[in-house]
Amino acid sequence: AQKVTQAQTEISVVEKEDVTLDCVYETRDTTYYLFWYKQPPSGELVFLIRRNSFDEQNEISGRYSWNFQKSTSSFNFTITASQVVDSAVYFCALASGYSTLTFGKGTMLLVSP
Amino acid sequence: GAVVSQHPSWVICKSGTSVKIECRSLDFQATTMFWYRQFPKQSLMLMATSNEGSKATYEQGVEKDKFLINHASLTLSTLTVTSAHPEDSSFYICSARDHGTSRYEQYFGPGTRLTVT
Repeated sequence: AQKVTQAQTEISVVEKEDVTLDCVYETRDTTYYLFWYKQPPSGELVFLIRRNSFDEQNEISGRYSWNFQKSTSSFNFTITASQVVDSAVYFCALASGYSTLTFGKGTMLLVSP
Repeated sequence: GAVVSQHPSWVICKSGTSVKIECRSLDFQATTMFWYRQFPKQSLMLMATSNEGSKATYEQGVEKDKFLINHASLTLSTLTVTSAHPEDSSFYICSARDHGTSRYEQYFGPGTRLTVT
């Protein structure tokens, strides 16, 4: 069985603050993929990143960065200098073995001006 | 990039009627499509997995006679909510897996918001 835990239900920050969204996963498979998605109020899921289990390099894309640590089974997501447009629900997800995509419960991020 | 469309984007229907939601892969062939349901302030829950030309596999607790899934072609899957009731009101999202890529990759549609009155 696989599981994704996003312990933070809701986070509120003021614009320009940095914010980190936590994601902890569980799987028995050695090959797996981790994802982050953004879901704005419109509802459409926006793909942000995919990372496979063999690539522990951290990644930076503009104001977004991801920290993957297999030792702690975590795949955290940081937004630097947050903006109001970053307000959304963010989902971490895991796919491994023959299992389908498992989503965490999501973290709602509210960035106020 | 791979694009998945859904139609309609929103629908309101009366209790007891049926409603059909279409999911199309626009620029790739999707051997497998997935249907998710998302209630307000909750996560996405997988309802069923459908493979082209075969019967859908439903997750535990999902009534297959109520949520009819048809995946007749490599670019189209439909979800029909039969005899809809207010508790079926939800956001339905489909995703599709590209035939030629990793089985871990899914492309999501924009979702269909169903309201049953």
